[in-house]
Amino acid sequence: NAGVTQTPKFQVLKTGQSMTLQCAQDMNHEYMSWYRQDPGMGLRLIHYSVGAGITDQGEVPNGYNVSRSTTEDFPLRLLSAAPSQTSVYFCASGKIYDNYGYTFGSGTRLTVV
Amino acid sequence: AQKITQTQPGMFVQEKEAVTLDCTYDTSDPSYGLFWYKQPSSGEMIFLIYQGSYDQQNATEGRYSLNFQKARKSANLVISASQLGDSAMYFCAMREGRSNDYKLSFGAGTTVTVRA
Repeated sequence: NAGVTQTPKFQVLKTGQSMTLQCAQDMNHEYMSWYRQDPGMGLRLIHYSVGAGITDQGEVPNGYNVSRSTTEDFPLRLLSAAPSQTSVYFCASGKIYDNYGYTFGSGTRLTVV
Repeated sequence: AQKITQTQPGMFVQEKEAVTLDCTYDTSDPSYGLFWYKQPSSGEMIFLIYQGSYDQQNATEGRYSLNFQKARKSANLVISASQLGDSAMYFCAMREGRSNDYKLSFGAGTTVTVRA
């Protein structure tokens, strides 16, 4: 049982480049989400999904795309990286009726230069 | 509008003492859940404790307890008998039930440093 797996752990991008952050879970969780963590701002929701084929925007969706073609995977795409997207990104998943909180991946530290 | 407010950016606590981390929330939804997470310096997010809005008793999990005051909209985390390993950032979060989107909203966090 791997839990929530995020790749890569670290990434440096040049401004304007695109990339995909991968997130996979093997717990049959309906809910998956992406957060970014910036100093002093806690975790802010980027996009989320309540099931395969269903996605929606969170608090800070601009510059990011997601898709959910399977229950297990929820990739986050940066379309044209900007220095403002330098952050730590977390993927989280969970059962939607579960009171035990969501399970987080180990995070991706992204630097855009 | 900020839904979760954590007013203490950082705190110091002596080993073996108790520490209370403040969390206030804002919602008009009668059904909601409150969560606390721990983030040590290694960066992972660790779920600690959950309190439902309809729960009659304050939640407890080992050395963690939640002081839930519904009328004041506060859900303070109490860590008893602090240990050096409790040094971390702590986040309060809320999930509202009415919207059926299951989103978790986080506060800005409180950094706790336990002194020997």
